[in-house]
Amino acid sequence: NAGVTQTPKFQVLKTGQSMTLQCAQDMNHEYMSWYRQDPGMGLRLIHYSVGAGITDQGEVPNGYNVSRSTTEDFPLRLLSAAPSQTSVYFCASWATLYEQYFGPGTRLTVT
Amino acid sequence: AQSVSQHNHHVILSEAASLELGCNYSYGGTVNLFWYVQYPGQHLQLLLKYFSGDPLVKGIKGFEAEFIKSKFSFNLRKPSVQWSDTAEYFCAVNARTGANNLFFGTGTRLTVIP
Repeated sequence: NAGVTQTPKFQVLKTGQSMTLQCAQDMNHEYMSWYRQDPGMGLRLIHYSVGAGITDQGEVPNGYNVSRSTTEDFPLRLLSAAPSQTSVYFCASWATLYEQYFGPGTRLTVT
Repeated sequence: AQSVSQHNHHVILSEAASLELGCNYSYGGTVNLFWYVQYPGQHLQLLLKYFSGDPLVKGIKGFEAEFIKSKFSFNLRKPSVQWSDTAEYFCAVNARTGANNLFFGTGTRLTVIP
């Protein structure tokens, strides 16, 4: 199993550009989530999904959209990138008992 | 609302020293508790977890944590650290009721000097 995969690993955007961060898992987990990691702030939840077709907002959802059309994929869309969205983004998936498996992360810089 | 506090931001130890990292959470109900580790350049990995039962939990690589309900704490310990333990450590909490999400602390960076 590949586990949780994320693409790209690195990305540089200009302010106002849009892009999609990809996340896929091959463990047939129902639950998936997106976090951003910023220095001194730990991981903060952006959006999460409890199954295909069902998503909800986390702690810091503004400026991001998600959809979950399949169990495997959970893309994160930045609608109009801002410098405040410079961060490392982690995708995670889990089945039950709340043990989350994390992807390798995407380092995003917005100039 | 749930929150997790890790008061140690950066801890520097020599090899073979003992380690204790603090973690306190604020939530009055029943919780699941976790410690994750992030080695340099890598993604988060689960160190150990507590759901119920024995409050002293043993994890991988010689780490353990003790859940003290009266203190809302879940401190991480290791009797003798190694250089390879250099990493960032995150405490996380999930409430048994409500959304199936983890709330993370801000993390503690551990540097072990050979």
